Amino acid sequence: GAVVSQHPSWVICKSGTSVKIECRSLDFQATTMFWYRQFPKQSLMLMATSNEGSKATYEQGVEKDKFLINHASLTLSTLTVTSAHPEDSSFYICSARVDGSGSSYNSPLHFGNGTRLTVT
Amino acid sequence: AQKITQTQPGMFVQEKEAVTLDCTYDTSDPSYGLFWYKQPSSGEMIFLIYQGSYDQQNATEGRYSLNFQKARKSANLVISASQLGDSAMYFCAMREVVRSGANSKLTFGKGITLSVRP
Repeated sequence: GAVVSQHPSWVICKSGTSVKIECRSLDFQATTMFWYRQFPKQSLMLMATSNEGSKATYEQGVEKDKFLINHASLTLSTLTVTSAHPEDSSFYICSARVDGSGSSYNSPLHFGNGTRLTVT
Repeated sequence: AQKITQTQPGMFVQEKEAVTLDCTYDTSDPSYGLFWYKQPSSGEMIFLIYQGSYDQQNATEGRYSLNFQKARKSANLVISASQLGDSAMYFCAMREVVRSGANSKLTFGKGITLSVRP
């Protein structure tokens, strides 16, 4: 159980175009999902917290107009990288906590398989 | 100050031996959770084990155990009987309670690369 599906797993796009990444919880509901970014051999950096039915909360230094997040249902969050540039090339990975799984601090996050974005 | 510190360089272990991956953390909150995740080269994050700040006993999950020393703020992962498939990056992470009721963030350390030698 607790499967998170992320699509696409990899994408190559040209500078200036936009790319949408989907994150779905397949067998559970997730009011909140988290989007992370990871550079090679580095840690995961939280970009934003996605909340169903409300605006996402962005971490300091993350441009909300560039990284658009939409959490339209309890099982789907999308991240759109707008007007992509080569410096946006990275590994993007989403995660979700199972609704009703207990106190927020003691339940694990379940991760998707990530999306490797390359902007040429 | 960093909340999660993983300072070991790349680690090597012989197959079938045990290995300890170090993690120290920093928080002033009495309620928090500590997690270990494994990230193989394919990229997915695999949840391994959890330790709560109020847990009296060290967590164990199969070949994984957590050496939790609260006073020293350390939560080292012990992998017993290493297998070739254990070669991966390992991340220690912490979630602190959020009194406002919002979902708390998971903060990751820099990770440790483990290589298992046949």
